[in-house]
Amino acid sequence: DQQVKQNSPSLSVQEGRISILNCDYTNSMFDYFLWYKKYPAEGPTFLISISSIKDKNEDGRFTVFLNKSAKHLSLHIVPSQPGDSAVYFCAASAQTGYALNFGKGTSLLVTP
Amino acid sequence: GAGVSQTPSNKVTEKGKYVELRCDPISGHTALYWYRQSLGQGPEFLIYFQGTGAADDSGLPNDRFFAVRPEGSVSTLKIQRTERGDSAVYLCASSLTSNSPLHFGNGTRLTVT
Repeated sequence: DQQVKQNSPSLSVQEGRISILNCDYTNSMFDYFLWYKKYPAEGPTFLISISSIKDKNEDGRFTVFLNKSAKHLSLHIVPSQPGDSAVYFCAASAQTGYALNFGKGTSLLVTP
Repeated sequence: GAGVSQTPSNKVTEKGKYVELRCDPISGHTALYWYRQSLGQGPEFLIYFQGTGAADDSGLPNDRFFAVRPEGSVSTLKIQRTERGDSAVYLCASSLTSNSPLHFGNGTRLTVT
């Protein structure tokens, strides 16, 4: 049973525009959410996280928004750059850190 | 500094054979995790170590899978009587504490023929 869902397998955005990646979850016990970025043949790399006590966290070009009532989070990348092209995984846990539940990922392509 | 190191990077084995996958975590990281990623899926949790002990092994699919971390650093994931369905990328991750973000290695791609 997939508790974290990324319903868009792929997304294409022009360089300089905003990329918005979406994620939904079903388990109301989740209180810690993360985004990981993955290049081919490499392991996932931590990007940004948010705990359930916040509704927004920003780090440079990356912002994560959390809507607890809708059990939805999104990652905004602005401005998008070609180097951002990768697979993005949303993950969630009921405690910080371990036993992360991952979505299936969204493949982002940023075109020049 | 050095990241999480996993060896081998690729492993091809025949159905029924035994395999060992090794993980060297980042120095000083007390927490170590194993995940498995099948084609088209996100990483799936297998087991979590805090120090030498397995704090949570609820993700191990069956008793053919076993993992150890005898000295609280390097960990080995052991798979007995491999099956074709075990083919996947096995990812290891470590973190400074259980409350810190995970740092993943590049994985071991296991192919069972």
